[in-house]
Amino acid sequence: DAGVTQSPTHLIKTRGQQVTLRCSPISGHKSVSWYQQVLGQGPQFIFQYYEKEERGRGNFPDRFSARQFPNYSSELNVNALLLGDSALYLCASSLSVGMNTEAFFGQGTRLTVV
Amino acid sequence: RKEVEQDPGPFNVPEGATVAFNCTYSNSASQSFFWYRQDCRKEPKLLMSVYSSGNEDGRFTAQLNRASQYISLLIRDSKLSDSATYLCVEIYNQGGKLIFGQGTELSVKP
Repeated sequence: DAGVTQSPTHLIKTRGQQVTLRCSPISGHKSVSWYQQVLGQGPQFIFQYYEKEERGRGNFPDRFSARQFPNYSSELNVNALLLGDSALYLCASSLSVGMNTEAFFGQGTRLTVV
Repeated sequence: RKEVEQDPGPFNVPEGATVAFNCTYSNSASQSFFWYRQDCRKEPKLLMSVYSSGNEDGRFTAQLNRASQYISLLIRDSKLSDSATYLCVEIYNQGGKLIFGQGTELSVKP
């Protein structure tokens, strides 16, 4: 079975540009979350979607937006890129939501803003 | 104060050593935690869940101390393959959000 897949794996963008990152969850998983991981830090929560509804939002500016599609895949959009947006963006999928639900991470998209 | 805090290390230990990591959390109502492992430039992978008093899986033991608001991870008989960053994770908002510590780097040497 395929795990969580993210595309692209690497991306270089210029300041001010916009970027769209994609995530396909594990088959049967209905929840997708997005995290940003800056070098030397743990991942930081950006969004969670469950059954196509936004269920949680982290402390990120409105330049960050996301959505989940009927097939449970998800996109993360970042507008007006800043140098500080350079990071590893991780997508996590889980079967549902709940305290004992394991989150499985994709390999991430490494975004470099120059 | 960060919600979840870890000693970033690095911890450099010889093979066969026992090593312990601690993690403190600020939300006294939190009940469930994970330890994730992250290899260099890879995605995090679940190592252990930590509920109620603790959990043990082979060489790995995780403990939760609610009174002092800390979680620990003990690794016995360290292997070279245990070299990685260990992330302490608080489960928040009924599982809707994971709050990660900054990670503790472990390097096991021959």
